[in-house]
Amino acid sequence: AQKITQTQPGMFVQEKEAVTLDCTYDTSDPSYGLFWYKQPSSGEMIFLIYQGSYDQQNATEGRYSLNFQKARKSANLVISASQLGDSAMYFCAMRELPYNQGGKLIFGQGTELSVKP
Amino acid sequence: EPEVTQTPSHQVTQMGQEVILRCVPISNHLYFYWYRQILGQKVEFLVSFYNNEISEKSEIFDDQFSVERPDGSNFTLKIRSTKLEDSAMYFCASSLASGNEQFFGPGTRLTVL
Repeated sequence: AQKITQTQPGMFVQEKEAVTLDCTYDTSDPSYGLFWYKQPSSGEMIFLIYQGSYDQQNATEGRYSLNFQKARKSANLVISASQLGDSAMYFCAMRELPYNQGGKLIFGQGTELSVKP
Repeated sequence: EPEVTQTPSHQVTQMGQEVILRCVPISNHLYFYWYRQILGQKVEFLVSFYNNEISEKSEIFDDQFSVERPDGSNFTLKIRSTKLEDSAMYFCASSLASGNEQFFGPGTRLTVL
């Protein structure tokens, strides 16, 4: 069963505007973590932001924030003030616990973001 | 800033040959992972490694694959007899604990001819 769903294969945003990348997930485990990674055209995977299932507040890291809606099982990434360098593929990922397992990440299909000047 | 490194960046091999992909995780990290990404597709988990043993593996990680931590710094993925469908980008990742964020290396692009 698909555990991470990113429904937007591609998105466009104007430079300096905000953009929201959607991510929904499915798990029956009460303990889990949600991650966003950026993959530029050069191919590396860059960690952006993390949200734990028990965190009371939405995570923020600079221009990145995570809109976590637990009841709806969504963890959307918001990028404020988009820059040309934000153009990349963005992956949402989930890690289910318990801690006696290795903590593998399950990735969504990705959203390709293009920032227009 | 500490980072995960991987060598080589690109490897081309003939079908049926053995390949070893190398990774140096971040030095104080305890959990190590291999993922792969077939061109244009999502990243898929292969295996996790902790305390010198495999803690979890996916169905992709069959008998052709093995991992090893031969010394205190390297973490290797061996593919015994490569197939055409093994062509992909292979990422190594490490984390301080299983619950922490995983930091990825730059990847090794494997091309099987």
